[in-house]
Amino acid sequence: GAVVSQHPSWVICKSGTSVKIECRSLDFQATTMFWYRQFPKQSLMLMATSNEGSKATYEQGVEKDKFLINHASLTLSTLTVTSAHPEDSSFYICSASPGVNTEAFFGQGTRLTVV
Amino acid sequence: GESVGLHLPTLSVQEGDNSIINCAYSNSASDYFIWYKQESGKGPQFIIDIRSNMDKRQGQRVTVLLNKTVKHLSLQIAATQPGDSAVYFCAENPIYNQGGKLIFGQGTELSVKP
Repeated sequence: GAVVSQHPSWVICKSGTSVKIECRSLDFQATTMFWYRQFPKQSLMLMATSNEGSKATYEQGVEKDKFLINHASLTLSTLTVTSAHPEDSSFYICSASPGVNTEAFFGQGTRLTVV
Repeated sequence: GESVGLHLPTLSVQEGDNSIINCAYSNSASDYFIWYKQESGKGPQFIIDIRSNMDKRQGQRVTVLLNKTVKHLSLQIAATQPGDSAVYFCAENPIYNQGGKLIFGQGTELSVKP
């Protein structure tokens, strides 16, 4: 199957700082990527849809100024958690599809811990 | 709002037995469903998918059944192995032409006893 890679796999940052997470499709181009958030023992919650060359679409309740998304190329989307706080600590996962009506491939996730 | 839910949050089975994980969905417009396996600290791994024009699809040791009448989805794992221990999520794609935008169910943790 197609490969989606996230970096870093884990990160620890101080409260008030910003953290950038990268999501790359390694062997296909993706005009659309998706960012999810997962708290321990819970399901994945869609945060936003990242659109190449245009603004991201955020789900209800997700602060767009806090979670900045940039999709500058067909193989890379970034999620920046700005002014991170301990409650932002979570597992962030991205996904991408090679085309419409096809399965989504997920990155390995990024564990963010804000101290 | 629309959601995909699971009946059983945990399931414990003996190695070699068959496992059945259930899922109920509420969006009758959804036409694409996927089962994912997630091991601790990792992203979801695709297991099997099914489209709404089918009621059954088989893979290697896994079978997905779709009952559109009652909006129910199930994953059957044959001869369950210790390596199958993980959390299993069903997911639906409510927008047919936007592959990848998924709504996930709550998950079922499968524990396989040797």
